[in-house]
Amino acid sequence: KAGVTQTPRYLIKTRGQQVTLSCSPISGHRSVSWYQQTPGQGLQFLFEYFSETQRNKGNFPGRFSGRQFSNSRSEMNVSTLELGDSALYLCASSFLPGAPIGYTFGSGTRLTVV
Amino acid sequence: TQLLEQSPQFLSIQEGENLTVYCNSSSVFSSLQWYRQEPGEGPVLLVTVVTGGEVKKLKRLTFQFGDARKDSSLHITAAQTGDTGLYLCAGAMNYGGSQGNLIFGKGTKLSVKP
Repeated sequence: KAGVTQTPRYLIKTRGQQVTLSCSPISGHRSVSWYQQTPGQGLQFLFEYFSETQRNKGNFPGRFSGRQFSNSRSEMNVSTLELGDSALYLCASSFLPGAPIGYTFGSGTRLTVV
Repeated sequence: TQLLEQSPQFLSIQEGENLTVYCNSSSVFSSLQWYRQEPGEGPVLLVTVVTGGEVKKLKRLTFQFGDARKDSSLHITAAQTGDTGLYLCAGAMNYGGSQGNLIFGKGTKLSVKP
């Protein structure tokens, strides 16, 4: 079956702009989580959606937001981009919320803010 | 404060050597997962351990969950160049019956030289 699909793979944006990233989970998975990965901080949790509801949110500013649609696809949005937002953004899907038995990750979106 | 501490941070060895990577915490986890990530890709789940003291083997990889479910180790026997990558441990926490988000360690970057 198809894996987790993230689009786009690469993005270059200018400071102050906004960006929307998309994630299509594995068919049948209703939980989608987003992580930001940087060399210094590792994987940091952004938020988790399950059945269109945000279950958990990490410690990120309000510029980071997300949503989930009825088909389980998810988007995350970052407004007023800062240089420090440059990172690999990973989407992960799981059958159950909290992924007690594991995530399937997408390949990520590499965001560069200049 | 990093909830999950991984050590060592970097490891460079010759093909054929054995190695152990550690994942430690002061918190109790309902399950612990190990992932491997290659450059430019998302992490791939290797194993999930759920019972204190559990040992799981995946070919040359042996995973152990501590008796108190606070720590884990990954042992690789006779490392091969294909084992090169970033190894991540992740803990799942249960908050009063509700599954919280996965917490990741910062990873161990393994380089196996021919």
